[in-house]
Amino acid sequence: GAGVSQSPRYKVAKRGQDVALRCDPISGHVSLFWYQQALGQGPEFLTYFQNEAQLDKSGLPSDRFFAERPEGSVSTLKIQRTQQEDSAVYLCASSSGRTGRYQETQYFGPGTRLLVL
Amino acid sequence: KQEVTQIPAALSVPEGENLVLNCSFTDSAIYNLQWFRQDPGKGLTSLLLIQSSQREQTSGRLNASLDKSSGRSTLYIAASQPGDSATYLCAVTPLSFGAGTTVTVRA
Repeated sequence: GAGVSQSPRYKVAKRGQDVALRCDPISGHVSLFWYQQALGQGPEFLTYFQNEAQLDKSGLPSDRFFAERPEGSVSTLKIQRTQQEDSAVYLCASSSGRTGRYQETQYFGPGTRLLVL
Repeated sequence: KQEVTQIPAALSVPEGENLVLNCSFTDSAIYNLQWFRQDPGKGLTSLLLIQSSQREQTSGRLNASLDKSSGRSTLYIAASQPGDSATYLCAVTPLSFGAGTTVTVRA
């Protein structure tokens, strides 16, 4: 595709509900990243995939957060039993992965704005 | 833990003035530093990437410098335009982002 796409763009959930956020990276991109951005803050790293392998999940804030990329393209970030503090924008980014995880420009999607009531 | 600070948090300038945005980081062991632009309700757009071995990068009206030893980077935007109004974030890899500087260019 032309860029990274994310869906839904907006999600309102009641506290305790499970949510699933989808990311479609740029076609052929090996590396995929998820970030959480609170209002007025910079993005915070959540997790990193190289193809289907989740190589780093050190940023996931709790075991309620789970991410997968089963076929090495589309990724889903799932949040179980949502809490109010989960309200944020969730950003996905991809990069080609040709030269390594940290050496390349990341291309970001528009984000999913999650509001937990 | 790496901490990235951006000062000022907000900046308002008249059209045509040059912009100077500052970024500082606490750990000089970085792979690279990137400057991003974020428009309201949108994702981040990469502006410039400076590898740790480089001192600066230029793209059009944008110039970014990197001084790894002092933990500082500066983004210069020449002859600002109203379309430059956005939030500018710097990020060092392993990825830590600053909170951004929100720029308003007044016509």
